[in-house]
Amino acid sequence: NAGVMQNPRHLVRRRGQEARLRCSPMKGHSHVYWYRQLPEEGLKFMVYLQKENIIDESGMPKERFSAEFPKEGPSILRIQQVVRGDSAAYFCASSPPTGGTEAFFGQGTRLTVV
Amino acid sequence: LAKTTQPISMDSYEGQEVNITCSHNNIATNDYITWYQQFPSQGPRFIIQGYKTKVTNEVASLFIPADRKSSTLSLPRVSLSDTAVYYCLVGGWNAGNMLTFGGGTRLMVKP
Repeated sequence: NAGVMQNPRHLVRRRGQEARLRCSPMKGHSHVYWYRQLPEEGLKFMVYLQKENIIDESGMPKERFSAEFPKEGPSILRIQQVVRGDSAAYFCASSPPTGGTEAFFGQGTRLTVV
Repeated sequence: LAKTTQPISMDSYEGQEVNITCSHNNIATNDYITWYQQFPSQGPRFIIQGYKTKVTNEVASLFIPADRKSSTLSLPRVSLSDTAVYYCLVGGWNAGNMLTFGGGTRLMVKP
């Protein structure tokens, strides 16, 4: 049973370009969470999704950022018109649909904006 | 959401037992206490979880007093590879109650 898979592991974008980060949850998991981590800081919650639904996006910047978790395929975190301040590690976690209070994290995507 | 407070950093030596205490005065009745470990450039890894009293697994022990306003992660006989950041979280992943990460405790294990 593969763990949470994130790709790419490293992503370099020029200012103004778009970044797409993918997260495939563990098999059987239907809840996905995205976090952002700046160097030497803790993880900041961004968004919580279930299949085809955004449950909580209170941590998402109002502009340029969006997330989806379609019925089929991975969850996508999309950052439009990236700026240098978007450079960070982005982690996703998944948890099962019912019960349990444990979530598993992917290895993250390191976004560098140049 | 219950807030957690834990030491910013700790130093230890190989072979020693390390205890990291976390305060969570506003913990709710349905909240669990979960600890994660994070190495540089990696995602957080689940260590242990508990609700009350004591929980032990092959990696660590978690001590929770009766009032549940604090918890202590105990790492027996640490090695250099235990050098990492340890996060204490309170809450529950289910029902949309995501977990909020604090600053964590940077544990440095020295030879």
